[in-house]
Amino acid sequence: QSALTQPRSVSGSPGQSVTISCTGTSSDVGGHNYVSWYQQYPGKAPKLLIFDVTERPSGVPDRFSGSKSGNTASLTISGLQADDEADYYCSSYTGWYAYVFGTGTEVTVL
Amino acid sequence: QMQLQESGPGLVQPSQTLSLTCTVSGGSISRTDYYWSWIRQSPGKGLEWIGYIFYNGNAYYTPSLKSRATISIDTSKSQFSLWLTSLTAADTAVYYCASDPRRGRTAAVGSSDYWGQGTLVTVSS
Repeated sequence: QSALTQPRSVSGSPGQSVTISCTGTSSDVGGHNYVSWYQQYPGKAPKLLIFDVTERPSGVPDRFSGSKSGNTASLTISGLQADDEADYYCSSYTGWYAYVFGTGTEVTVL
Repeated sequence: QMQLQESGPGLVQPSQTLSLTCTVSGGSISRTDYYWSWIRQSPGKGLEWIGYIFYNGNAYYTPSLKSRATISIDTSKSQFSLWLTSLTAADTAVYYCASDPRRGRTAAVGSSDYWGQGTLVTVSS
């Protein structure tokens, strides 16, 4: 199982939208609608933002949205805010009771 | 609201075995709608899922660590544990425990909703 591929960094100005991609294969991202996204601040545990490609847990702002096309999933942050500056990770079920994380993306608010 | 707390040694010698425990509170570790995961993060690196266990003891692992990792559960103590053998410097990481809901499915698919704060394990002589 190889880590899913994410861009190392993305940036945007306050109020703008940024999109983070998460590319896998037909065995993981493309084969299951079980992609999750996490936000992680330095020194802190990750926080679940999105599960099952598009679903948001209670309390997560609707500025965060997820989608998927083929072997690539995406997280879009709309109305970028200063406290969105963090690392973001995707994960995908790979079947047979296992899952894999993405390589992680650092989001910078300019 | 569930809370998870990792405990274990901060320093382990190379070739030795790491033993970590996660204590679950605010919810039953015997609940049938959750798996219990171990995840690690090497310094400055990304997240790596190690494996998870169900309340009945059925455990599953990432292929790359399957030969060295063992996860067990003690429902009477509301704890689950990770053992990792033959440690090298590459195993130096923050180790997290987390809860993984099944969301109505047979398996948990990696949407961990509660996490411990993490514990740093350094492998060094």
